[in-house]
Parts: sequence; C-alpha cells; structure tokens
Amino acid sequence: DAGVTQSPTHLIKTRGQQVTLRCSPKSGHDTVSWYQQALGQGPQFIFQYYEEEERQRGNFPDRFSGHQFPNYSSELNVNALLLGDSALYLCASTPKPGSYNSPLHFGNGTRLTVT
Amino acid sequence: AQSVTQLDSHVSVSEGTPVLLRCNYSSSYSPSLFWYVQHPNKGLQLLLKYTSAATLVKGINGFEAEFKKSETSFHLTKPSAHMSDAAEYFCVVSDLSTSYDKVIFGPGTSLSVIP
Repeated sequence: DAGVTQSPTHLIKTRGQQVTLRCSPKSGHDTVSWYQQALGQGPQFIFQYYEEEERQRGNFPDRFSGHQFPNYSSELNVNALLLGDSALYLCASTPKPGSYNSPLHFGNGTRLTVT
Repeated sequence: AQSVTQLDSHVSVSEGTPVLLRCNYSSSYSPSLFWYVQHPNKGLQLLLKYTSAATLVKGINGFEAEFKKSETSFHLTKPSAHMSDAAEYFCVVSDLSTSYDKVIFGPGTSLSVIP
C-alpha cells in the first residue's frame, strides 16, 4: 500500500524563479493538503484540495497556487520565489475532508532552497 | 480558536530513562489531539491520537499520552528512551472549528537521547 509520495526530494532555485512540487496521496485518499515547514518550526498550512478544487487556504500570498488532478495527485506552484520561501514543503492526505479527527498521512517532503 | 503550546523546545534524556514531552492546548470545542514525530529530513509520522474515547492513549514505539481536560494537557511519555527516539515531536490539535484538515501544530520539541 503506497503511502504519500512527493517529488522531487530536493530542489535549488534562484530568487524570482518559479517552482512546481508534486504529490501523490496515499492509496484510497482523495484529499491533499500542503504545508510549509521552515527550519526549526512547525508546519504551516498552505491550502487543501478536494475534488480538484481549493477548499481551504492558510495565510499565504497568491504566489502560492495549486492544482489537483482527477487521479487525486496534486501540484504546488510557487511564483516569484523569495529567499524566505526556502523550507521543507510537506504534502499530507486524508480519506476525505471534514474529518477533523482523522490523522494526516505525510510524505517525506521536498526541501526547497532559494538562493 | 485553538492553540497549542509545547512547553519545552528541547529535551535531553539518557538512554533507558523516561521521556516526558509536555503539551497544553486551548479549544472551544471537544478537541482531537495528536502527537507526530519527525526524524531529520523526513515527513511526519503519527504516534498516537485522542478523539474523545479513552483518556490514556497508547501509540507506536511504546509512547503513550494522557488527555487531562481539567489541565488542558496532552503530555507524551515513554518509560524508557531509545536512541532511535531522537527526533522532533509535534503536538497537534483540531476541533469542530478547524474545518477540514486545517489542524494546528505546536512549535515542536526536539528530543535528544544520550547514550
């Protein structure tokens, strides 16, 4: 049973560039959430996708956008990269939204470094 | 609104001695509470969860936590630390006001285990 998979594992970009991160949810899950984890901090919620729509959004600027595909996989796009965007980006999946007592299943993350 | 406080940013114990990682929360509703562990450059793994059933919750790898409503606490314990327990630990709260899976992470506690 495949868990949550993310690609790439590491990425180095230059300020001003754009980046796309990818996530495949755990088998049987249809809801994907994205988190940003800066060094030494807890994860911060970016947004959640369900049924190919953004359902919830955290306090992140419009430079952060996403997409969900019919097979439930998801992409996170970040435009006009800033040095402060350097972080570990985590994808998490759940069977469905609205289950506040359902644990999140996390991938290993993508480490983004902006220089 | 919910919030989570992890009282220690860093805890150091000797191998074979007990572990105590402290977590206090605030919630307007009956909360669900989780502990996740994160090893270096890895995603988060669920250790255990409390969802209004038994107040003493047993998790993986010998960890357990006790929900104390009167103290608004959900401290994580383990009788005997192992070297492999060295990692970052996050206490997480969600409740009916969370909407979907926009859970709230604590700032994390880094656990060191001394041989």
